[in-house]
Amino acid sequence: EVQLVQSGAEVKQPGESLKISCKASGYSFTTYWIAWVRQMPGKGLEWMGTIYPGDSETTYSPSFQGQVSVSADKSFSTAYLQWSSLKAADTATYYCARLSGGGYYELDYWGQGTLVTVSS
Amino acid sequence: QSALTQPASVSGSPGQSITISCTGTSSDIGGYKYVSWYQQHPGKAPQLIIYGVSDRPSGVSNRFSGSKSGNTASLIISGLQADDEADYYCSSYTSRSDTLVLFGGGTKLTVL
Repeated sequence: EVQLVQSGAEVKQPGESLKISCKASGYSFTTYWIAWVRQMPGKGLEWMGTIYPGDSETTYSPSFQGQVSVSADKSFSTAYLQWSSLKAADTATYYCARLSGGGYYELDYWGQGTLVTVSS
Repeated sequence: QSALTQPASVSGSPGQSITISCTGTSSDIGGYKYVSWYQQHPGKAPQLIIYGVSDRPSGVSNRFSGSKSGNTASLIISGLQADDEADYYCSSYTSRSDTLVLFGGGTKLTVL
């Protein structure tokens, strides 16, 4: 069974760093792209970026380029999303999801989401 | 303002059919067969219900169907049920930037 299990909720102060995780199981981690999606409180979904764990190739939406960093550790079948300096505007739920290998750019499996709250 | 345009809300009575539209451009919906739809219940992760414009993943009810005409895609839900009440998001591949995929702003479906 394919599963993406994300790390737990975080409460941080502005300026702090943060790294959240997404552990994959039930499939070959290195052969599917992983995407990260932001959902701000009461708002819609936003595509942040992707990583191909096989070779760590990444893509970033222009809105998130330079604001976050995505990475992956093949040894642990885990993808990561990190910030070096959080802002209040980063408060949101962050989802990881698997890009289906069917070539239609659909996200066929999703993590449960990680709520990140940034507040002083 | 979202890149793909969806109505903010739609409603219908149990047993009825509803349609949710999703309008883009020739650089996304109009140019490719890469439209997907997701259902999101409150407090839950989104779930894929349509991909490739009109294909359904295994396990998704055939009450959900999708279509496309020009730059507009549509999600049709027939035989509305109470559990269909949720937010629905369209998405499409885009050739315009490294974003790869655009989402619609979401549509809240209310089952009356």
